[in-house]
Amino acid sequence: NAGVTQTPKFQVLKTGQSMTLQCAQDMNHNSMYWYRQDPGMGLRLIYYSASEGTTDKGEVPNGYNVSRLNKREFSLRLESAAPSQTSVYFCASSAPGVQDTQYFGPGTRLTVL
Amino acid sequence: DAKTTQPPSMDCAEGRAANLPCNHSTISGNEYVYWYRQIHSQGPQYIIHGLKNNETNEMASLIITEDRKSSTLILPHATLRDTAVYYCIVRGYISNFGNEKLTFGTGTRLTIIP
Repeated sequence: NAGVTQTPKFQVLKTGQSMTLQCAQDMNHNSMYWYRQDPGMGLRLIYYSASEGTTDKGEVPNGYNVSRLNKREFSLRLESAAPSQTSVYFCASSAPGVQDTQYFGPGTRLTVL
Repeated sequence: DAKTTQPPSMDCAEGRAANLPCNHSTISGNEYVYWYRQIHSQGPQYIIHGLKNNETNEMASLIITEDRKSSTLILPHATLRDTAVYYCIVRGYISNFGNEKLTFGTGTRLTIIP
C-alpha cells in the first residue's frame, strides 16, 4: 500500500494564479483532511471530509475550496493564490472510530510570489 | 479540546531513554492523549495514544498520571532517527463519523546526540 500520496511535491505560483493540490489514499479510509504548516508552527486544519460527499471547514478555510471526488481522493484548490498561502500542505486520512489515528502524506511545498 | 504544554526543546543521548513531558491540566474525562512526531520535512507520524491507562507499543510507551493532568512519552532506546518534533495532542470525540480534528501546538523538538 502506498498510504497517502500527494501531488505535486513542490510548486511555485505567482499571485493570482490558481492550482489544485491532489491527495489520494489507498487504505479505504472514510475521513480525509487538509492541513497547512507555516515555518516553525504546528499544523492547522483547513478543511476535512468525514465521508464521501461531505466536506466541512476547519480552522483556516479562507481562500481555499475542496472536493471529495470519491472515497480515495480529496483535492484542495486555491482559486487566486496569495503570498500568505505560502506553506507546506499536508493531506491526511483516517478510519472512523473513537480511537482512529490519522495517516499523513509527504506534503506539498507551495511558494506564492 | 484541552490545551497542552510541552517544553520547546530537549536533548537526549543516543541509546538512552527519551522522556518527553506534556501537561494537559484542563483535560476532560472523555478526552484521549495522542502523540505524533514529525521528522524534518515529512508528514506527521502517529506514535501512540491513551485514555487513562499506561500504553506501550513497538515505538514507545505512554505514561498518564492518575489525575490525567499530565503524561510522558518514553522512547526506550533513542536512536538518531528519533530526532524530530514531538506533538502531544488532547482531543475528544465529536461524532460517529470519524471527523476528528487534531489540534497541533508547536511541540517539543527532540535532538538525539551521538
